[in-house]
Amino acid sequence: QVQLQESGPGLVKPSETLSLTCTVSGGSVSSGSYYWSWIRQPPGKGLEWIGFIYYSGSTNYKPSLKSRVTISVDTSKNQFSLKLSSVTAADTAMYYCARASGWVDSWGQGTLVTVSS
Amino acid sequence: DIVMTQSPDSLAVSLGERATINCKSSQSIFYSSNNKNYLAWFQQKPGQPPKLLIYWASTRESGVPDRFSGSGSGTDFTLTISSLQAEDVAVYYCQQYYTTLGTFGQGTKLEIK
Repeated sequence: QVQLQESGPGLVKPSETLSLTCTVSGGSVSSGSYYWSWIRQPPGKGLEWIGFIYYSGSTNYKPSLKSRVTISVDTSKNQFSLKLSSVTAADTAMYYCARASGWVDSWGQGTLVTVSS
Repeated sequence: DIVMTQSPDSLAVSLGERATINCKSSQSIFYSSNNKNYLAWFQQKPGQPPKLLIYWASTRESGVPDRFSGSGSGTDFTLTISSLQAEDVAVYYCQQYYTTLGTFGQGTKLEIK
């Protein structure tokens, strides 16, 4: 059974870049059957799909975030990563990495990122 | 974007009673070429990530109790819990995957009456 684990700083200053990594175990990011995703959830609010990456490196980002988001994959480490630039308080959220094939079938436990000076 | 709207926002049901949550999409998420509705349901308990319950609108994920069922087609969908248990207290989300980057409903909070 695949497991995903997010890692990265829990506190980021406004205007800086949020960087998170997801380590995948029990499965391979090189699998062509899935796309590896980042989804966030502001405190007390709903779910927002930030974007995803295929093993080939092709990506798809939410249009409203596209100018600030980069998702990359490292097949040698079985990891994929998220970078979100120029963050503001509105980017404060629980960030989940996930595996999807349409629906999301596996989620990491999530990591809370707070944007504050 | 396809907008997913759930109703009600919150719901209180007695133990053992039926709970019904609705989800409406702003456009059809039925794909006629494979006769499938591109809709999933998730359950999220406090401090936990969402858990997949149902996909293809009515296919139960392995291990999900059979008191959970999904129905509907086109733009209108329903998640039904046939006999509410205490452990079903959670927020429930629908998600469309008709478009490549899927969108979620706002969530429905289910509590015990």
